[in-house]
Amino acid sequence: DIVMTQSPDSLAVSLGERATINCKSSQSVLYSPNNKNYLGWYQQKPGQPPKLLIYWASTRESGVPDRFSGSGSGTDFTLTISSLQAEDVAVYFCQQYYTTSRSFGPGTKVEIK
Amino acid sequence: QVQLVQSGAEVKKPGASVKVSCKASGYTFTSFHVHWVRQAPGQGLEWMGIINPSGGSTTYTQKLQGRVTMTRDTSTSTVYMELSSLRSEDTAVYYCARNKEGGWFDSWGQGTLVTVSS
Repeated sequence: DIVMTQSPDSLAVSLGERATINCKSSQSVLYSPNNKNYLGWYQQKPGQPPKLLIYWASTRESGVPDRFSGSGSGTDFTLTISSLQAEDVAVYFCQQYYTTSRSFGPGTKVEIK
Repeated sequence: QVQLVQSGAEVKKPGASVKVSCKASGYTFTSFHVHWVRQAPGQGLEWMGIINPSGGSTTYTQKLQGRVTMTRDTSTSTVYMELSSLRSEDTAVYYCARNKEGGWFDSWGQGTLVTVSS
């Protein structure tokens, strides 16, 4: 099974500042035949199900604000919130969908400083 | 619009079984696989398994093999997740989620809290 890790566990960022979350997979999730990274990012607010933000490591889901961006390839990935808004307070999870047995990172909690 | 609506909260005793339903609407039910994911209180997301609503084939996480069963009813566009021999560690919110073509989860149910307590 692919094990996903994230750093940091939590971070506090001032409104309007940048937040950066890292995600690492225990093996590459880059599929060479189509050159796509099978990696997604989700946002979860208290009492709600996760919400898809990013797929293919860097493609924003429809309706997601462009302050959210994803980058990386292979085993190392980053989610960036370019200018943190109050409504972005949440836990963020990365997920690999390279294998049938999906796996998630442990989550990163983002708060306002 | 795509909707996954789950059944209500359950309280079960250790050793019992629970069956959670997930009713799909707004899309062709048999065209998209459905996953089950659970989240223990204050914890992360744990993938449980996947069902193909078209043929009913399933794949489960090794950890729950023998205790989890996923089924579907195409006449009502509903998938089910049954977990048996419940123990306190199974206390969690259980989610169903639709698998988009690439493999990510684009739509989630609202979650069903299952509490296992004597």
